[in-house]
Amino acid sequence: SQQGEEDPQALSIQEGENATMNCSYKTSINNLQWYRQNSGRGLVHLILIRSNEREKHSGRLRVTLDTSKKSSSLLITASRAADTASYFCAPASGNTGKLIFGQGTTLQVKP
Amino acid sequence: ETGVTQTPRHLVMGMTNKKSLKCEQHLGHNAMYWYKQSAKKPLELMFVYSLEERVENNSVPSRFSPECPNSSHLFLHLHTLQPEDSALYLCASSQALNSPLHFGNGTRLTVT
Repeated sequence: SQQGEEDPQALSIQEGENATMNCSYKTSINNLQWYRQNSGRGLVHLILIRSNEREKHSGRLRVTLDTSKKSSSLLITASRAADTASYFCAPASGNTGKLIFGQGTTLQVKP
Repeated sequence: ETGVTQTPRHLVMGMTNKKSLKCEQHLGHNAMYWYKQSAKKPLELMFVYSLEERVENNSVPSRFSPECPNSSHLFLHLHTLQPEDSALYLCASSQALNSPLHFGNGTRLTVT
C-alpha cells in the first residue's frame, strides 16, 4: 500500500476561477481515486481513474494520470463557493483494500 | 444520506468506560473499513473486512476491537481508551477491495 501526497496543502481562489490540485505516489497502481471532504463529514468519492487511462471527466471535474511520472491532477473548472472542502487522492495497488489517504488539499473558494 | 449509517454521531467517554461504535451499510457491499481522523493528521486506516473476514489490521492497539457479524454491519468496541484516541472515526464500505469507498458521516469521539 502507499499514500498519495497532495499538493498544494492549501489553495484559495475566487468563485469562477479554476482550481488545480496535484497528487504524487511512489509505486505502480491499479487505479487512483479522488475524494472530497466537507468539514466534520465523511469523504465523498469523486472519480476513479484506472492505470491504463490518461484522462477522465465528470461534470466540472477533470482528472489526469501520468503513470510515467507517478502523478495525477484534479482540475475543478468554474469553481463555486460550495466547492470549498478538502480534497484527497488515494492510489490503489495490490488487492489488500489498503486505501491510504494523504493530508489533502484544502480548497477555499471565495464568493 | 450516503447509504452508510454510523451511530452515535457524538460520544464522550471516560478512560475506564467500554463503548461501541456501530456502522451499517445499505448498499450491498462486500467490504467494510474503519478509519481514524485526528486533527492535523492524515486519515489512518485501522481495519479492513472483506466478506466478514478481517483482511487488514493496521497495527492498531488492542484497546480497539472490531467485529463484523455480517456484510452489512461493522462494530468498533472501545475499552480503556486514552485522551489521544479522541478523533473522528469513519466507517466506509465498498463493492470490492480497491473499489470506491462510501463513507458514513463518522462518530466524533472525545475521551476525557
